[in-house]
Amino acid sequence: QQQVKQSPQSLIVQKGGISIINCAYENTAFDYFPWYQQFPGKGPALLIAIRPDVSEKKEGRFTISFNKSAKQFSLHIMDSQPGDSATYFCAASMRSNTGKLIFGQGTTLQVKP
Amino acid sequence: DTAVSQTPKYLVTQMGNDKSIKCEQNLGHDTMYWYKQDSKKFLKIMFSYNNKELIINETVPNRFSPKSPDKAHLNLHINSLELGDSAVYFCASSQVVLAPQETQYFGPGTRLLVL
Repeated sequence: QQQVKQSPQSLIVQKGGISIINCAYENTAFDYFPWYQQFPGKGPALLIAIRPDVSEKKEGRFTISFNKSAKQFSLHIMDSQPGDSATYFCAASMRSNTGKLIFGQGTTLQVKP
Repeated sequence: DTAVSQTPKYLVTQMGNDKSIKCEQNLGHDTMYWYKQDSKKFLKIMFSYNNKELIINETVPNRFSPKSPDKAHLNLHINSLELGDSAVYFCASSQVVLAPQETQYFGPGTRLLVL
């Protein structure tokens, strides 16, 4: 119930293409869903986040789509660039759980020039 | 100005040794965390401290002991190191506890290799 399942494990996209990463969760008590981006040799950094009271959030080329009934959310990267090549983690947390983030397994994205 | 810093960056040691990793944040945050990232890049929380008080203690072997001398520092001491402890350890901080929507800021990681 505490798991967040992420797919695919790896993704290769051509420059200018759309990258899509999917996550699913079981615990309906989760109320915050961030995405973190991690470059090789660096720590993860917050990319974008959503709460379940909205179905979509967009920041530049990055969009989170959220489907509360299906308990799924996804990250869309439009016009993918080689600089977007990184590992992406979805995560979930709940207000009652002291900031504890449950991370998905991660997706390694490679954007080919 | 580094927001969350960790030392050392790399740590290579023999099985059975005791080692410590230090973390400092200059963001004025109240809450700090330790995460472990395994060889498959899976990230899992280990501990969390709020203003020097332990608030999250996951099922981590008691060979791991966090210590927070003040709210800007959270150190991780590991006794009797085992091969399976090899991983990247990340320190993170956030402004407020009991507010899970707060962004967590991660340090650069400490790469521990136990031989």
